[in-house]
Amino acid sequence: AQKITQTQPGMFVQEKEAVTLDCTYDTSDPSYGLFWYKQPSSGEMIFLIYQGSYDQQNATEGRYSLNFQKARKSANLVISASQLGDSAMYFCAMREGLNTGNQFYFGTGTSLTVIP
Amino acid sequence: GAVVSQHPSRVICKSGTSVKIECRSLDFQATTMFWYRQFPKKSLMLMATSNEGSKATYEQGVEKDKFLINHASLTLSTLTVTSAHPEDSSFYICSARGGETDRSYEQYFGPGTRLTVT
Repeated sequence: AQKITQTQPGMFVQEKEAVTLDCTYDTSDPSYGLFWYKQPSSGEMIFLIYQGSYDQQNATEGRYSLNFQKARKSANLVISASQLGDSAMYFCAMREGLNTGNQFYFGTGTSLTVIP
Repeated sequence: GAVVSQHPSRVICKSGTSVKIECRSLDFQATTMFWYRQFPKKSLMLMATSNEGSKATYEQGVEKDKFLINHASLTLSTLTVTSAHPEDSSFYICSARGGETDRSYEQYFGPGTRLTVT
């Protein structure tokens, strides 16, 4: 089974609107971390937000928030007030266990296009 | 935040030659580095996990004799693609496990190296 599933290959959003990028995960480990990365056309992976499996609150970082629904095993990324510079590929990732040296599992990504 | 560099950013080589890609952690010691491969418009695929001073652990299906990984110091890991073929053309990204920082849960990614084999 896929560890990380992103079902939206492409999304469009109007500038200044909010958009939700979906991510579901699969693990039997009670300890895990969930990550979102942005990859612009330059290729670099830019860390956006992190959610630990034991975190009680949804993570927020500026315009990014993570809608963490543990029972549903979903970790959707919400981008508020979209900007043209938000156009990029977005990857959801998971690391199982507490060891920060454990590998990341990446989803297939969602290509977001912000329309002026 | 922590910075990871990769060199070169782009390389074109002829089929049959070898090419070395360097991954450096610039402001922290990285005991663990990871090498990923990414095809156009696809996800990152983990190739191997590299621990300083020990042999790399390769993922299933990755030829360790073709993709040589050396993690000789706490700030440098190298990936050598030996006897490169056109199908090795790809975007190679390294990442390093963060050190003792507030965001030690992160992996810090390098900017990637685009390899084209002609």
